[in-house]
Amino acid sequence: DADVTQTPRNRITKTGKRIMLECSQTKGHDRMYWYRQDPGLGLRLIYYSFDVKDINKGEISDGYSVSRQAQAKFSLSLESAIPNQTALYFCATSDPENGYTFGSGTRLTVV
Amino acid sequence: SQQGEEDPQALSIQEGENATMNCSYKTSINNLQWYRQNSGRGLVHLILIRSNEREKHSGRLRVTLDTSKKSSSLLITASRAADTASYFCATGSGGSNYKLTFGKGTLLTVNP
Repeated sequence: DADVTQTPRNRITKTGKRIMLECSQTKGHDRMYWYRQDPGLGLRLIYYSFDVKDINKGEISDGYSVSRQAQAKFSLSLESAIPNQTALYFCATSDPENGYTFGSGTRLTVV
Repeated sequence: SQQGEEDPQALSIQEGENATMNCSYKTSINNLQWYRQNSGRGLVHLILIRSNEREKHSGRLRVTLDTSKKSSSLLITASRAADTASYFCATGSGGSNYKLTFGKGTLLTVNP
């Protein structure tokens, strides 16, 4: 099994729909992250969590929410999807000041 | 906002040649990391260099860090077609609020 598993791998949804992207990890790390990748813009941080009770906004949190259900699970929700949220979404986990382990990504298309 | 910026944006070389990518950043850091991404896939951590280190090696990879110039370079020696990917630098900073900030990446194409 992968260290960081994201579901679904691909999703097409309609404008205005609520959608949840799920992430689970088996690394045992406290820290988890959600990033968004757009062509030419690199990765931008949406939300991050340093433990189950600690949730923080990243640089582009508007239109998104998260839930840290357990140490191993961190989900990202789009409350009302819009077309400019079409992107590749990555979940990652890390221990303090070491390399991140990324999931394989969720390709989301909002039509 | 982007902390690190890679240069060049794209690089095309022949198999066997060396590839050098550069990264510049703006604020003080705890460490700098390099990641690789094959098209549409997740990022893979390659190497981490701490702010008190100047050079680090891992296999065919060599990373340098110059904190006075706020810059780093990634050298891939004896490149292979399988090295074709996007390479990202990421700066780690923030103390107790530590997190990574990524650059926009360099697309490396290694031609057989």
